[in-house]
Amino acid sequence: KNQVEQSPQSLIILEGKNCTLQCNYTVSPFSNLRWYKQDTGRGPVSLTIMTFSENTKSNGRYTATLDADTKQSSLHITASQLSDSASYICVVNQSHQLIWGAGTKLIIKP
Amino acid sequence: DTEVTQTPKHLVMGMTNKKSLKCEQHMGHRAMYWYKQKAKKPPELMFVYSYEKLSINESVPSRFSPECPNSSLLNLHLHALQPEDSALYLCASSLNQRLEGTEAFFGQGTRLTVV
Repeated sequence: KNQVEQSPQSLIILEGKNCTLQCNYTVSPFSNLRWYKQDTGRGPVSLTIMTFSENTKSNGRYTATLDADTKQSSLHITASQLSDSASYICVVNQSHQLIWGAGTKLIIKP
Repeated sequence: DTEVTQTPKHLVMGMTNKKSLKCEQHMGHRAMYWYKQKAKKPPELMFVYSYEKLSINESVPSRFSPECPNSSLLNLHLHALQPEDSALYLCASSLNQRLEGTEAFFGQGTRLTVV
């Protein structure tokens, strides 16, 4: 069964700290992997898209990694800000169909 | 312009009402999507339009009726909804349906409440 599993389910960190969110997938075939940020009640916003051959991709304070052999991805957030509080969703593109993870709810506390 | 615009932002409707959700993009994208998202869950795909033709219908009840009048507009007509249909309805667009290396842009959603 094609699945995308994320951990932790939720995370609370202090402002200014770093954190890493995990994504494991069993989707096959694999086209690309995306990380989205979604504020409560708003639409998702794309952070990164990574293809099979890409190991790392950065977007400002966000850095995504991909290990296609172990089917794992991570999203590292550096120097967190209050505005980073949101759900972060890992999405795998399987032959033009997006398979969504359940997301990690991140709360940044001052 | 990298925006997908959805209207209205909020909608409350009775179970006997007929209403429509609207979505617009001017990025030249030829694939447009409707998603339904319940609280604390990921979005669920409802419909995909590719080049203004319905490409995917994920077994959505007929009380939801999509329409793509032109390449920039996507509507979702609602009729005789149930309270369990209350959710955030998201529209998205992408260059094409293949989604290989291309961004999918989402609108801000319509928060629908059925009473």
